[in-house]
This record gives sequence, C-alpha cells and structure tokens, in this order.
Amino acid sequence: GAGVSQSPSNKVTEKGKDVELRCDPISGHTALYWYRQSLGQGLEFLIYFQGNSAPDKSGLPSDRFSAERTGGSVSTLTIQRTQQEDSAVYLCASSLGGASAGLASGETQYFGPGTRLLVL
Amino acid sequence: KNQVEQSPQSLIILEGKNCTLQCNYTVSPFSNLRWYKQDTGRGPVSLTIMTFSENTKSNGRYTATLDADTKQSSLHITASQLSDSASYICVVSASGGGFKTIFGAGTRLFVKA
Repeated sequence: GAGVSQSPSNKVTEKGKDVELRCDPISGHTALYWYRQSLGQGLEFLIYFQGNSAPDKSGLPSDRFSAERTGGSVSTLTIQRTQQEDSAVYLCASSLGGASAGLASGETQYFGPGTRLLVL
Repeated sequence: KNQVEQSPQSLIILEGKNCTLQCNYTVSPFSNLRWYKQDTGRGPVSLTIMTFSENTKSNGRYTATLDADTKQSSLHITASQLSDSASYICVVSASGGGFKTIFGAGTRLFVKA
C-alpha cells in the first residue's frame, strides 16, 4: 500500500474489556514495530517483528498485552482486560528490514497514523 | 541507563523566525540519531538521520547537527512557517542485538502568525 495504515483510528472501551488494534504495514516491509504514546510522553517501544524471527517482546508492559503478525504482513495488538492507564495512542511502524537491517543500521521507519484508545 | 532528553519542552515563535531545538543523550554504544516531526494526530515522519561520522545534515529548512563527543544534537529550523507547528522528536539507536532505540519526549513547537 501507499503507507502504513491502522484501524480503528479511535477506540473507546470500558475497563475490563479486550481490544484488538490492527496494523497494515507497507507492502514488502519485513520489519514491524508497535509503540505506545501517552499524552505528553515520548514513544514507548512495545514489540518488534522481523521477518520470521521470534519477535522482540521486551517492551510489553504486562501479560495483558500481546501481538501477532500473520503471514509476515498484517499485525494485531491485543490488550486484554483493559485498564484506564492503557489509554494512549498506539502507533505502528514498518521498515524494509532484513537480516542485517533495522533501526541500528539507519533504516527509515514509516509510521501509521495511530489508534487512539480511551478506556473508561 | 540509556536516555534521551530534549529541550525545551515547548516553544512559541513568530512565523519567519529561526529556532533551535536541543537533544542530549546517553545511549551507548551509539549507532545513529534521528529527528522526527509529528503533526497533531499523525504518526512521526523522519526528517534526518545521522551516524557517528556525520556532524550535520540538512533537509530543506531543517538542519540537524551532531556532536558525538558531547552526545548532543540540535535541530535548527530556518524561516519558520505555520506548518512547522508540530512536535519534534529526537531518537537515538544503539548498536547490538535487540531493540535498542530510545525516543525523546519531544519539543512542542508553536509557530504564530
């Protein structure tokens, strides 16, 4: 596609409900990243997928958070039993990726518009 | 501890004026430093990326500098426009395995007519 897309653009849910956020990366990009941005805060890394390698989940804040990437393309971030502190903008990004690529190699990362999650 | 600190937190300038945003980091071992522009309600967009050997890089009216010795970077915006109103985020990546990229909290720039 032309860019990274995310859905829904906005999500309001009740505390305790589960939510699923979707990310469609740029076609051909093998690296996919999820971040969380709370109001007035910097981006917080959540999880990183690179090709068929095991994802780097080191940023997930609790076991209520999980993500999967099917077929090496679309990714879904799931938050179970949502809490009010989960309210934030969830950003997805993708990059070309590859065995010797990644942000440390200077690869350009393209961000989606984000999903604004509000937990009441 | 790997950290990226940006200053000021926010800045208001008049259209046409220049401004400079600061970024200090302690990320190690250093690999690269990026500046992003994030418009309200949008995802960040890359402006510049610099490696250890680069000390300046320009993208139109945006010029980034890097002093790897003092671990400081700046983003200079020349002849500001209303459309420059956005958050500017400094991001530093470390080399090595795993995800080692740290995002600063950003500087919120307001350009007034």
